[in-house]
Amino acid sequence: DIVLTQSPDSLAVSLGERATINCRSSQSVFRSSNNKSYLAWYQQKAGQPPKLLMYWASTRASGVPDRFSGSGSGTDFTLTVSGLQAEDVAVYFCQQYDTTPSITFGQGTRLEIK
Amino acid sequence: EEQLLESGGGLVHPGGSLKLSCAASGFPISNFAMTWVRQAPGKRLEWVSTISAASISTYSVDSVKGRFTISRDNSKAEVYLQMDRLSAEDTAIYYCAKDQYSGNKPYFFDSWGQGTLVLVSS
Repeated sequence: DIVLTQSPDSLAVSLGERATINCRSSQSVFRSSNNKSYLAWYQQKAGQPPKLLMYWASTRASGVPDRFSGSGSGTDFTLTVSGLQAEDVAVYFCQQYDTTPSITFGQGTRLEIK
Repeated sequence: EEQLLESGGGLVHPGGSLKLSCAASGFPISNFAMTWVRQAPGKRLEWVSTISAASISTYSVDSVKGRFTISRDNSKAEVYLQMDRLSAEDTAIYYCAKDQYSGNKPYFFDSWGQGTLVLVSS
């Protein structure tokens, strides 16, 4: 199975500043056949289910503010939250679907306000 | 509005059984593969099982093969997870999730239920 390792495990960022969360895959999730990376990002607030933020590594899901952006390819990916707002406090997970149906998730990164 | 509502969780003794249900609304469930994902306390999300749109194919993580059975009734817009021979390692919140794209395998999920807690303990 592909193992996704996120870093850091937690971070605290000041309101209005930028938060950067990394996700490294144990093997490439990029397919040259369609030039896509099979990676998604989710946000999970306390007591709530995960919410889809990004897919294909950098495509924003419907309704997601444009302060959220995704980048990367192959094995290294980044979720960036620009202009952090209080409502962004959550745990963020990456997920790969290259090896569907055996999809896997990262361990999560907790984002807090400094 | 797409909605998923899980039910059926609870406390069960090791070796026991539970059947989870997921009631879907707001979208044509018959077009989508449906998936169960679990989250054990302090652990990462774990894909458990997926059933294709027309129930032709099912897929499960190795740790539940032979113990868990996923099924669906599109006429009722419901998905089920029959869980047998439960162990403490199965303790988790179980989420029902819908894929963003119509298809037969899990990709990424744009709708999730609120989850139902399964606690396996003596």
